[in-house]
Amino acid sequence: GDSVTQMEGPVTLSEEAFLTINCTYTATGYPSLFWYVQYPGEGLQLLLKATKADDKGSNKGFEATYRKETTSFHLEKGSVQVSDSAVYFCALSDQWTGGFKTIFGAGTRLFVKA
Amino acid sequence: DTAVSQTPKYLVTQMGNDKSIKCEQNLGHDTMYWYKQDSKKFLKIMFSYNNKELIINETVPNRFSPKSPDKAHLNLHINSLELGDSAVYFCASSQGPGQGGNEQFFGPGTRLTVL
Repeated sequence: GDSVTQMEGPVTLSEEAFLTINCTYTATGYPSLFWYVQYPGEGLQLLLKATKADDKGSNKGFEATYRKETTSFHLEKGSVQVSDSAVYFCALSDQWTGGFKTIFGAGTRLFVKA
Repeated sequence: DTAVSQTPKYLVTQMGNDKSIKCEQNLGHDTMYWYKQDSKKFLKIMFSYNNKELIINETVPNRFSPKSPDKAHLNLHINSLELGDSAVYFCASSQGPGQGGNEQFFGPGTRLTVL
């Protein structure tokens, strides 16, 4: 079945450091890929997405490229801020017999120190 | 202007009680979901409705019963609450199967604590 694997956290960085959170997936079809972010006490919100191979999603300085050959969708940011501290979820949406289903990774907690 | 709203935000109750959580979306979406998030932040799909019709029903105890009176509302009723039901429950919506890549919009969550 479909699955999403992302690096375990927590990840602790200093402000202005480079961020990478790895995400790989397995899917039987041609899924759309997403990164969602969850700030403390809130629901998840979409950070970026890519719907086909080689697409790059970007938002708020974050970016991720849909790599079909390596089945990956790694999240990167060149210079993190304290306000980026949150839990990040990689997800895929794929078609199944009943429609479409979204599978979430386990989440990676990011702490950014001033 | 809240897109997906849930009530209540916090729910503290005794084991064995019955409780409901309500969800409403004003985005005009066709599909709504219930997720359970445990203390380690793991997110698990419970149910999904498309145009009031149940399309996803994961392995969830039958003490949990979703109800969709119309496509803007999806409520969750839980009977005979158990300690293990303590979690944060998120409602979400999306345009419809496959539309927009199935991007989901989440509510703020309901933190359920069973004593």
